[in-house]
Amino acid sequence: EADIYQTPRYLVIGTGKKITLECSQTMGHDKMYWYQQDPGMELHLIHYSYGVNSTEKGDLSSESTVSRIRTEHFPLTLESARPSHTSQYLCASSATGLAGSPPPNEQFFGPGTRLTVL
Amino acid sequence: GQQLNQSPQSMFIQEGEDVSMNCTSSSIFNTWLWYKQDPGEGPVLLIALYKAGELTSNGRLTAQFGITRKDSFLNISASIPSDVGIYFCAGPDRGSTLGRLYFGRGTQLTVWP
Repeated sequence: EADIYQTPRYLVIGTGKKITLECSQTMGHDKMYWYQQDPGMELHLIHYSYGVNSTEKGDLSSESTVSRIRTEHFPLTLESARPSHTSQYLCASSATGLAGSPPPNEQFFGPGTRLTVL
Repeated sequence: GQQLNQSPQSMFIQEGEDVSMNCTSSSIFNTWLWYKQDPGEGPVLLIALYKAGELTSNGRLTAQFGITRKDSFLNISASIPSDVGIYFCAGPDRGSTLGRLYFGRGTQLTVWP
C-alpha cells in the first residue's frame, strides 16, 4: 500500500477564495505530480516536480501554483478559485529508480481531493 | 506528447464473465502500466510490464506487452462486482528519465450481479 496522503478529501468553497490542497508522501520519492481529472474522464498532468525546489508545469494549463520546499510535501494553491476549477485533483509520486526502490515509472497516487467551487 | 487509445470506452458485463480491454499508442513504449480507479479514489497500480511480449498476472488479472511495443492488453477472468471501476493504461515519456506518464482515457467497467 502506497503511503501518499491528500487533504482535504472534499472541499466546497465560494468563488474568489484562496485554497491550498495538501499532498504528502512518506516513501522518500523525489518525483511528485499533480493531475486534474473530471468525473469518469482522463487524467491531465498540471504540475510536476523532480525534487526539492524544482517544479514544472504539465500538459494542461492551470491557474494553480505549486511549491516543493520539502521532499515529502507538494502543496497546490489556487489564489482565487472559480467554478471552472471544480474537479478532482490527484497527487502522485514516483521513486528515482535506485536499487531497492520501485522502477521510476511506477507512480503511486493519493486518494484525491474533490473540489467544488460555487 | 504521446497518445494512448483505450478501447472499449465502457463495458457492461455480467458477473462471472471474462473481460478484455486494450491500449494502443502512436509510438513505441518501453513500459506499460495498468491502473484501476475506484469511484472517488485515486488510481491504484495493478500490473507493470517492462518487456515486449511479457505476460504478467496478478490474481484474476493478466496483462500483456505487445510485441510491436505499441500496444498492451488487460484481461480480467471471472469478473466480480468489486471489479467495477475505471481501468487506465499508462506509459512513460520515452525521451524522459523523469517518470512522466501518459494515460489513456480509461475503460469504464460495470459488472451486473
